[in-house]
Amino acid sequence: SQTIHQWPATLVQPVGSPLSLECTVEGTSNPNLYWYRQAAGRGLQLLFYSVGIGQISSEVPQNLSASRPQDRQFILSSKKLLLSDSGFYLCAWSSAGRNYGYTFGSGTRLTVV
Amino acid sequence: GENVEQHPSTLSVQEGDSAVIKCTYSDSASNYFPWYKQELGKGPQLIIDIRSNVGEKKDQRIAVTLNKTAKHFSLHITETQPEDSAVYFCAAITPGGGADGLTFGKGTHLIIQP
Repeated sequence: SQTIHQWPATLVQPVGSPLSLECTVEGTSNPNLYWYRQAAGRGLQLLFYSVGIGQISSEVPQNLSASRPQDRQFILSSKKLLLSDSGFYLCAWSSAGRNYGYTFGSGTRLTVV
Repeated sequence: GENVEQHPSTLSVQEGDSAVIKCTYSDSASNYFPWYKQELGKGPQLIIDIRSNVGEKKDQRIAVTLNKTAKHFSLHITETQPEDSAVYFCAAITPGGGADGLTFGKGTHLIIQP
């Protein structure tokens, strides 16, 4: 069966520090991968998605970047965090070309202080 | 692109009563409609879904209905229990859309009063 792992679960970082959040998927190949953010409140904001290694689409210009160095690995990064980067970050995957929606990871609570 | 509207933003019901959350979509090409439940501090989990060739689907206390003509779909929870308290998201998939064409509603915070 397929599983998605996301870490760390919580992170407190000072303003101006770098960020690296990692997400991996097991049990499938060539998944579509996504990074979402939830700020205070409930909305899911799509940040990046990837349909293959090295292929990244950005939905919202911001202080963050994403990379996909391996087929089932997706990384969210920042060189210098801002206070506004605080939020709940979610990784998700879907089967490419199959209309079955997403499976989300457990999320990372990032607090920038 | 697709636009999904979700109402209400907050819903409070007495334990044992029914809860209904409604969503509308704009793109008639959308053909798959999942519902997600997000508990506090966790990622959203798929709880039920429906495809455009079906009008209704049930899974124990949860049901989803779809009206393609009116372009709206609803989540129905009967005999609500405290563990139903969560944020619920509806979504619509439009084939050929970017990012698998999945568009989310803004969420409904369901509160079950004891």
